[in-house]
Amino acid sequence: GENVEQHPSTLSVQEGDSAVIKCTYSDSASNYFPWYKQELGKRPQLIIDIRSNVGEKKDQRIAVTLNKTAKHFSLHITETQPEDSAVYFCAATIMEYGNKLVFGAGTILRVKS
Amino acid sequence: DAGVIQSPRHEVTEMGQEVTLRCKPISGHDYLFWYRQTMMRGLELLIYFNNNVPIDDSGMPEDRFSAKMPNASFSTLKIQPSEPRDSAVYFCASAPGRSEKLFFGSGTQLSVL
Repeated sequence: GENVEQHPSTLSVQEGDSAVIKCTYSDSASNYFPWYKQELGKRPQLIIDIRSNVGEKKDQRIAVTLNKTAKHFSLHITETQPEDSAVYFCAATIMEYGNKLVFGAGTILRVKS
Repeated sequence: DAGVIQSPRHEVTEMGQEVTLRCKPISGHDYLFWYRQTMMRGLELLIYFNNNVPIDDSGMPEDRFSAKMPNASFSTLKIQPSEPRDSAVYFCASAPGRSEKLFFGSGTQLSVL
């Protein structure tokens, strides 16, 4: 959706390197920001989410940071592995649309071994 | 729990035919969502229900699309008549609350010839 922009559209990294995917949103009232991972031919699955009352959240090799002032949030994957290769979607609740969850266009991450 | 169950997994039909997609949400989840995924438009929310009541159907592309949720354990998305541009993967998802983790089904790959 046009209210959530995601960059880059494709990202290729070497195994072991870090990967960063960024999203911006337009609604300053947005309060929930999940990240979903979708492997080829599979369903999207939540990997991490953050709410507007915190600035950062970590879960092992993945982390999400939120900058409410700038209205952007990022996904950080450290020590990437081939199994991290997938499409990653960010999302944000958009109050303008009745607090609906709007997804970004997705980032194709390829981890080269 | 077996998760969100969708059927059929694949559907191939001819233009003009009626298509019915089915979904069984996770027991106890109050929210049910229907999404459509295409390369061009990404993940689009078509409609969502809260406690079996349709809350927002602004994403339904045309009158050819309709959705029902007759009880807490079953929902259908119907396309009549179907057109080639309806070809996509249709996901059903359920959640315990509005801004909570979405649990996606395996999706229905629809091809309209």
